[in-house]
Amino acid sequence: GENVEQHPSTLSVQEGDSAVIKCTYSDSASNYFPWYKQELGKRPQLIIDIRSNVGEKKDQRIAVTLNKTAKHFSLHITETQPEDSAVYFCAASLTMDSSYKLIFGSGTRLLVRP
Amino acid sequence: DAGVIQSPRHEVTEMGQEVTLRCKPISGHNSLFWYRQTMMRGLELLIYFNNNVPIDDSGMPEDRFSAKMPNASFSTLKIQPSEPRDSAVYFCASSLSQGGEQFFGPGTRLTVL
Repeated sequence: GENVEQHPSTLSVQEGDSAVIKCTYSDSASNYFPWYKQELGKRPQLIIDIRSNVGEKKDQRIAVTLNKTAKHFSLHITETQPEDSAVYFCAASLTMDSSYKLIFGSGTRLLVRP
Repeated sequence: DAGVIQSPRHEVTEMGQEVTLRCKPISGHNSLFWYRQTMMRGLELLIYFNNNVPIDDSGMPEDRFSAKMPNASFSTLKIQPSEPRDSAVYFCASSLSQGGEQFFGPGTRLTVL
């Protein structure tokens, strides 16, 4: 089955700096890679996703890159702000027939220092 | 749209008691997922349904856990009997289709004493 590893487990950056979170996955057939943000005491919410036919996707200060050969994908946050502080989860999924499920990484706690 | 609705938001019970968690997915969504979140194990998928049919329950910890989806707008996750190690936040999520964005409910924080 699919296994997703996420690094680092904690990340502290100065406001305005960039933050990068990396994930690797094991099943080469996985084809959907979402990123969720979870604020303290709240529900996980999708912030960006990428599918295996795309190498990079950007949405304002957030970007995700995918390297299918190496089986890893990364989240990049530029010009970080204190409200970016949260736990970020990556996930991988094989979306075909009835075998669809999201396997989540262990999460990265991001702290943006004002 | 009100989003995914879960009840109760908090549940405190004693070991051995039956616990029932409820979920109402977003109207029109045909896939529903139950997750458990703990500090030790992170976010785990327990079971998911597509068009009210259970597709994969391999994440259900043991026979004490059961889930049903009698119709497109309602699902339950039952634990009987409950144990202290079941204490966690249980999330329900729904999506428009298999492989689509999953929308999470607010979660139910379960404490088993």
